[in-house]
Amino acid sequence: AQTVTQSQPEMSVQEAETVTLSCTYDTSENNYYLFWYKQPPSRQMILVIRQEAYKQQNATENRFSVNFQKAAKSFSLKISDSQLGDTAMYFCAFMRGGGADGLTFGKGTHLIIQP
Amino acid sequence: EAGVVQSPRYKIIEKKQPVAFWCNPISGHNTLYWYRQNLGQGPELLIRYENEEAVDDSQLPKDRFSAERLKGVDSTLKIQPAELGDSAVYLCASSPRRGIWETQYFGPGTRLLVL
Repeated sequence: AQTVTQSQPEMSVQEAETVTLSCTYDTSENNYYLFWYKQPPSRQMILVIRQEAYKQQNATENRFSVNFQKAAKSFSLKISDSQLGDTAMYFCAFMRGGGADGLTFGKGTHLIIQP
Repeated sequence: EAGVVQSPRYKIIEKKQPVAFWCNPISGHNTLYWYRQNLGQGPELLIRYENEEAVDDSQLPKDRFSAERLKGVDSTLKIQPAELGDSAVYLCASSPRRGIWETQYFGPGTRLLVL
């Protein structure tokens, strides 16, 4: 079974700052995928970024980027130039190759962007 | 393109009463997931459908929970009878294809409160 750990229950930064959310996971699989999802107060879960484990290059999506360290089983999310709209719960998630088990989520990090 | 639709958005019932949740996935999405999200936690998979077939229901509490996906489109998740511990948000998600990793698109969820 896979486990996903997010060790930061809550983080708060000022608008325009850069913030990094941590995620570690445990698996014996070699073929898998990692995701960061955002859940604003409206509760609609939205995909932020995704990473294939076989790719060494870190994924980037505009202001969002990841630091994927496969050997360390670490998958952190960096948000640059943070905006008020980034305030939300952020969940790190794991999926085995082929999507057989659905997603395994961490407990989430509540990110607050202060004006 | 319409997203995943869920209804009702909120439901309050007394314990031992039955309750049902409905999900309409994104058109053309063959795979459908039901997750349960307890307060302060990440979502946990309950059941996964490939078309009308339940291919992973190992986490579904079968003594009181049931689900169906007639004709491989809409799905209904039922609890009978509900218990206090069933209070949670029930999320439905869909993705286009099986066997290939694909992004899961989530609905807004149904928030259930059992009194």
